[in-house]
Amino acid sequence: AQTVTQSQPEMSVQEAETVTLSCTYDTSESDYYLFWYKQPPSRQMILVIRQEAYKQQNATENRFSVNFQKAAKSFSLKISDSQLGDAAMYFCAYRAMNRDDKIIFGKGTRLHILP
Amino acid sequence: DAGITQSPRHKVTETGTPVTLRCHQTENHRYMYWYRQDPGHGLRLIHYSYGVKDTDKGEVSDGYSVSRSKTEDFLLTLESATSSQTSVYFCAISEGPGRSEQYFGPGTRLTVT
Repeated sequence: AQTVTQSQPEMSVQEAETVTLSCTYDTSESDYYLFWYKQPPSRQMILVIRQEAYKQQNATENRFSVNFQKAAKSFSLKISDSQLGDAAMYFCAYRAMNRDDKIIFGKGTRLHILP
Repeated sequence: DAGITQSPRHKVTETGTPVTLRCHQTENHRYMYWYRQDPGHGLRLIHYSYGVKDTDKGEVSDGYSVSRSKTEDFLLTLESATSSQTSVYFCAISEGPGRSEQYFGPGTRLTVT
């Protein structure tokens, strides 16, 4: 069965600094998607970034980028120039490419931004 | 933002009463999902639907049923609510095969006393 593990329940970073959130996953599939979702205090789940496993190039979205290591089954999120609005719970998630049922979520990392 | 609404947004109910949560979408997406979110567990899939009248179970389906009579509506029913079903419930939608993203509704906080 596929699993997603986020080993850091909470992290803190100074405003304007860079922070990296870790995620590892386990799967026997070769084709899949990986995601980072952000959940601010409003509770809304917001897709931050997506990575297709067949792509070697790491995905980037403005200040957000990932380090995707397929062999190591590692998918970390780097947030550059951290802003107060980045404070949220971040979930790493996995979805097999040819399936349309669930996304498997990690348990989340709560990110605090220190002014 | 994807057009997904959930109703009610908050509900308090007593143990043993039936509860129905509604998810409504305006995107005409084929797939719809119900998740629950609990501290320390992330989000877990309850049921999902891959078309009108087509549904299947997720990993935590016991005590829940669903129905989908129209593309835009997906109902989650707790036949007899228990305190263990106190949670935040999220609906999500997806276009279907080959489309990876799921888009989430705003969530419903359910408290069973």
